[in-house]
Amino acid sequence: NAGVMQNPRHLVRRRGQEARLRCSPMKGHSHVYWYRQLPEEGLKFMVYLQKENIIDESGMPKERFSAEFPKEGPSILRIQQVVRGDSAAYFCASSLKTGVHEQYFGPGTRLTVT
Amino acid sequence: AQSVTQLDSHVSVSEGTPVLLRCNYSSSYSPSLFWYVQHPNKGLQLLLKYTSAATLVKGINGFEAEFKKSETSFHLTKPSAHMSDAAEYFCVVTSGSGGYQKVTFGTGTKLQVIP
Repeated sequence: NAGVMQNPRHLVRRRGQEARLRCSPMKGHSHVYWYRQLPEEGLKFMVYLQKENIIDESGMPKERFSAEFPKEGPSILRIQQVVRGDSAAYFCASSLKTGVHEQYFGPGTRLTVT
Repeated sequence: AQSVTQLDSHVSVSEGTPVLLRCNYSSSYSPSLFWYVQHPNKGLQLLLKYTSAATLVKGINGFEAEFKKSETSFHLTKPSAHMSDAAEYFCVVTSGSGGYQKVTFGTGTKLQVIP
């Protein structure tokens, strides 16, 4: 039973380019969470999605960031016109249900903006 | 509203001595509480969780945590530290009403184990 998969594991983008981060949840999980971890900081919640729905995006920056979790395929976190400050590790987690059900984390995507 | 406070950003212990990582929370609802561990350049792994059953929770690798409602605490302990325990540890609270429970991470505690 494969765990949460994220790709790419490492992504390098120049300022102004777009970054697309993919997350495939564990089999049977329909809840996906995205987090950002800046160097020397903890995880910051970004967005919580269920299939085809954004449930909570209170942690998403107002501009340039978007997320989706389509009916088919992985969840995508998109960052448009990346800036140096977007360099971070982005983690995806999935759960069977919300709340008491623990989240299973992917290995993360490390984004470097040059 | 909810919050999590990890009282120590860094903890250093000698190998073979006890580990105590402190976590306090606040929540308007009955919370569920978790501890995760993150080794360098790795994802997060669940150590243990509290979900309103037994207040003393045992996890993997010899870790345990006790939920104390009166103190709003969920401290993580281990009787004897091992070198492989060196990592960053995150305390997490989830709570809410209806179908959605908000997740809040603490800022993390880095555990150093000295040989």
